[in-house]
Amino acid sequence: EPEVTQTPSHQVTQMGQEVILRCVPISNHLYFYWYRQILGQKVEFLVSFYNNEISEKSEIFDDQFSVERPDGSNFTLKIRSTKLEDSAMYFCASRDWTGAKNTEAFFGQGTRLTVV
Amino acid sequence: AQSVTQLGSHVSVSEGALVLLRCNYSSSVPPYLFWYVQYPNQGLQLLLKYTSAATLVKGINGFEAEFKKSETSFHLTKPSAHMSDAAEYFCAVSLGDKIIFGKGTRLHILP
Repeated sequence: EPEVTQTPSHQVTQMGQEVILRCVPISNHLYFYWYRQILGQKVEFLVSFYNNEISEKSEIFDDQFSVERPDGSNFTLKIRSTKLEDSAMYFCASRDWTGAKNTEAFFGQGTRLTVV
Repeated sequence: AQSVTQLGSHVSVSEGALVLLRCNYSSSVPPYLFWYVQYPNQGLQLLLKYTSAATLVKGINGFEAEFKKSETSFHLTKPSAHMSDAAEYFCAVSLGDKIIFGKGTRLHILP
């Protein structure tokens, strides 16, 4: 069964450093997402990406964040200068969305980011 | 704007007892609704989704949910809880192309 894969599973970084989280969405999906889950809290939407551009972003997704689809398979989330409060589990998802029917998003296993 | 509200951040049931996790939605149009489950230290897995084809939706692991327009609810149930059902459960709604999650309900199973 197709799945969304994320690397690395864990990342520890020093405050102020840049990190790149990587994802390989399901190949025939056109919509890609990043979500964040701070430990013990809800799953928060960060950004959606379609047709090689951001289609929507939340207020969490400020100038420190960026996303990119550098080739035909990878989808990345970059945090330019990490803060302690960026420590969280980051989930990538992809979706075969048309608007005409209810399709689910498929989620990766997540990358646990720890900023020290 | 569409949103979902989950009642109860923690629910405890005995093994073998009925599981009922509550979710209410706010929407002016028929919503696209989901239930996802998150097992400890894992990602989000789809349990079931509402497609408007039927108000009673059956999902994986014996779970089902009933869409009730009159009550704006989409509660998740399972007749008999198993220890392996201990997890976090998220009700979610599709808002355009993105999916927005409720705050989650942690289900505890008592032996």
